[in-house]
Amino acid sequence: DAGVIQSPRHEVTEMGQEVTLRCKPISGHNSLFWYRQTMMRGLELLIYFNNNVPIDDSGMPEDRFSAKMPNASFSTLKIQPSEPRDSAVYFCASSLTAAETQYFGPGTRLLVL
Amino acid sequence: KNEVEQSPQNLTAQEGEFITINCSYSVGISALHWLQQHPGGGIVSLFMLSSGKKKHGRLIATINIQEKHSSLHITASHPRDSAVYICAGHSGGSNYKLTFGKGTLLTVNP
Repeated sequence: DAGVIQSPRHEVTEMGQEVTLRCKPISGHNSLFWYRQTMMRGLELLIYFNNNVPIDDSGMPEDRFSAKMPNASFSTLKIQPSEPRDSAVYFCASSLTAAETQYFGPGTRLLVL
Repeated sequence: KNEVEQSPQNLTAQEGEFITINCSYSVGISALHWLQQHPGGGIVSLFMLSSGKKKHGRLIATINIQEKHSSLHITASHPRDSAVYICAGHSGGSNYKLTFGKGTLLTVNP
């Protein structure tokens, strides 16, 4: 398997623009996680899906952030409108079940100017 | 207050040295992960353990449930081991949510 795939790897955008990050989990994994990593706050869980259903979105910063998982092989994280403070690395991870080892994607490095 | 504390924050070693990174966690964490992140790179899960010891190559992870403490050891360190090492705990009561330590930046000089 190719591992968790994320796109784009880098994104530079201007404040106010919509940003969509994409993730393809490892086939057969039923749990998907979106994380954000910043120097100040480290890694933070944004949202957790189980069998394509959002279970915990308490980490989503505000209404500007939304995430979907329309099927078992695809998830998106959308920021609209984007702000400079959203600049961070966004990781997607998947695991066979919620309590097992999480496999991280390469991350999307987002810069909002 | 972070429920997962790592030490040291930064560690510099010479190639070949034995390295230990420590992680202390609060009540309620049922399993511990060790992750590795190379500069500008992705995150790799090294170990997940809830008791005892695990070994993979030159890496050894131990956990002491009673003392709420885990260690990651690297034997015969190599410059390619230079990375940030992060411990993360599964919060008790949640089988999915990880609480992350702030990471230990390891630099191994040749």
